[in-house]
Amino acid sequence: EVQLVESGGGLVQPGGSLKLSCVASGFTFSASTMHWVRQASGKGLEWVGRIRSKPNGYATAYAASVKGRFTISRDDSKNTAYLQMNSLKTEDTAVYYCASDYSVLFDYWGQGNLVTVSS
Amino acid sequence: QSVLTQPPSASGTPGQRVSLSCSGNSSNIGSNYVYWYQQLPGTAPKLLIYRNNQRPSGVPDRFSGSKSGTSASLAISGLRSEDEADYYCVAKDDSLSGPWVFGGGTKLTVL
Repeated sequence: EVQLVESGGGLVQPGGSLKLSCVASGFTFSASTMHWVRQASGKGLEWVGRIRSKPNGYATAYAASVKGRFTISRDDSKNTAYLQMNSLKTEDTAVYYCASDYSVLFDYWGQGNLVTVSS
Repeated sequence: QSVLTQPPSASGTPGQRVSLSCSGNSSNIGSNYVYWYQQLPGTAPKLLIYRNNQRPSGVPDRFSGSKSGTSASLAISGLRSEDEADYYCVAKDDSLSGPWVFGGGTKLTVL
């Protein structure tokens, strides 16, 4: 059974930093592109960024709204993807999902992790 | 303002057929595949349709997708109460908006 389990969310002040983790199981994590998608309360889904697999050079890409502030990385030995969020703004408050791209885009999703940016 | 345009709401009665639309442009839907996701209340999204009209295993054949030009549609036949959810379309975008863009989502109510 495929599972994506996120952790690391919480309350942080504007300008602060937070790092989310996404641990995968049930599929060949190292072969999968991994994405992060967020959803503000009562709003729609927004793609945040992605990291490709090793054969694809671990290439990353980001949405314009987070570029330069967020960094996606991965540790294939731990089946884990990370989302490092710096210079956080109140508008970054959202539930953050990791999602795999193993066979198909966003084929599996984590349970979501709430990040609240507030003073 | 989402890059892909979806009507915010739709409704239908049990057994009815409904169609949800998703409109884009030549840099996204017009030149790339469309994907659809279902988000039940309080849960993570789930893959419903991929590459315009393909269903993953486990998704009932009541759900079907199509694409024409710069628009796509998700059709649900034999509507059931458990279909009440938010539905999102996604496509790759070849412009600076990309690479992946979502529609704003359609909330489907089963009356």
